[in-house]
Amino acid sequence: GAGVSQSPSNKVTEKGKDVELRCDPISGHTALYWYRQSLGQGLEFLIYFQGNSAPDKSGLPSDRFSAERTGGSVSTLTIQRTQQEDSAVYLCASRKLVRATDTQYFGPGTRLTVL
Amino acid sequence: QKEVEQDPGPLSVPEGAIVSLNCTYSNSAFQYFMWYRQYSRKGPELLMYTYSSGNKEDGRFTAQVDKSSKYISLFIRDSQPSDSATYLCAMPDSNYQLIWGAGTKLIIKP
Repeated sequence: GAGVSQSPSNKVTEKGKDVELRCDPISGHTALYWYRQSLGQGLEFLIYFQGNSAPDKSGLPSDRFSAERTGGSVSTLTIQRTQQEDSAVYLCASRKLVRATDTQYFGPGTRLTVL
Repeated sequence: QKEVEQDPGPLSVPEGAIVSLNCTYSNSAFQYFMWYRQYSRKGPELLMYTYSSGNKEDGRFTAQVDKSSKYISLFIRDSQPSDSATYLCAMPDSNYQLIWGAGTKLIIKP
């Protein structure tokens, strides 16, 4: 079956430009997460969507970062005025239900390089 | 101090060795303990999870929880080069959101 997909797989941009990263979760999954993973580091939580509830934005590192989820499905993470420290792999995950044992299914990530 | 601590490695062992990967945590309320495996340039995927204390075995993999010490382990028997990956521990908090370890990079040398 179809898993979580992300696009683009790689993105190279110049400092100061805006970028949009897309995530297509598994159909029917109510929860969607964005994480950032720098080289050799663990997962840094960015933002969480659950159904029609207001998103949990507590992990966004600055106001240059924003995300939306349209129609409870596709999500877009936008980074404005990119900086070199934004270079990382951005991972999206979806989850059918939010219970203790429910698995998060991850996409392959978007590798962002800011020159 | 982070809620979940994990040595980032890398940990390099010869093929066939027994591997021990570990995490410590500070929140005694954690009840479920998960291990995810992440291959290079892929997203993490759930390997196995355990509830409360004790052991759980799945093929060559054994997950062990010691709640008294707030310490969890993942053992890999007869390690294979295909086991080379980053292993992340994760624990759901009271809102069922996962608290992640930093991940340990494991290298199995043929």
